[in-house]
Amino acid sequence: QSALTQPASVSGSLGQSITISCTGTSSDIGGYNYVSWYQQHPGKAPKLIIFEVDNRSSGIFSRFSGSKSGNTASLTISGLQPEDEADYYCGSKTRSMSRWVFGGGTKVTVL
Amino acid sequence: QMQLEQSGAEVKKPGSSVKVSCKASGGTFSNNAISWVRQAPGQGLEWMGGIIPLFDSANYAQTFQGRVTITADQSTATAYMVLSSLTSEDTAVYYCARGSSVRFLAGDYYYTMDVWGQGTTVTVSS
Repeated sequence: QSALTQPASVSGSLGQSITISCTGTSSDIGGYNYVSWYQQHPGKAPKLIIFEVDNRSSGIFSRFSGSKSGNTASLTISGLQPEDEADYYCGSKTRSMSRWVFGGGTKVTVL
Repeated sequence: QMQLEQSGAEVKKPGSSVKVSCKASGGTFSNNAISWVRQAPGQGLEWMGGIIPLFDSANYAQTFQGRVTITADQSTATAYMVLSSLTSEDTAVYYCARGSSVRFLAGDYYYTMDVWGQGTTVTVSS
């Protein structure tokens, strides 16, 4: 069971916008601005897309954006493209002895 | 741009140990962190531990404390992860990841895991 809670799946039509939530506690997401989002295609390594809540990693399209409110972080993909179909993971610094925690992942399907 | 190249797949017996390497190229190795993250089949990501080669300082997730050892060789820009007392539940893909923009605040390290190795599959089976 992952420390951060994500929906198992989210789907949207080509060109639509979707938002993936990532819920933690005041000991992780709520207590730090070290929240990241990763994209993972099948059989591939995770790829950093958002770091420190709302900063896009180098080379990442502007249609990806991150935000945080309280203990919940969010990733929004605006204008869904076929290549956006992948698993997405959130991660956060934590005060616990785990030090870094991740969500269980969200499978994004482009209809 | 830094790249991380990991060692090949391993098949281990229960109770044994595995050593996975992660060689960095194309960037500065010592003043970044190297984290190890694993992913069991069909599961999410799990942070195991990390090291700052410049300080030769490693820390570990409590779940793995006492069973994992992370080291780094600055001369070869290579990090290593040894996991002992293996069980079938350790079957997973193991990734190394660079932690960039390292900050030390209030007794802990903060960084962004921005470059990942290709992953090493470890299978534990009798």
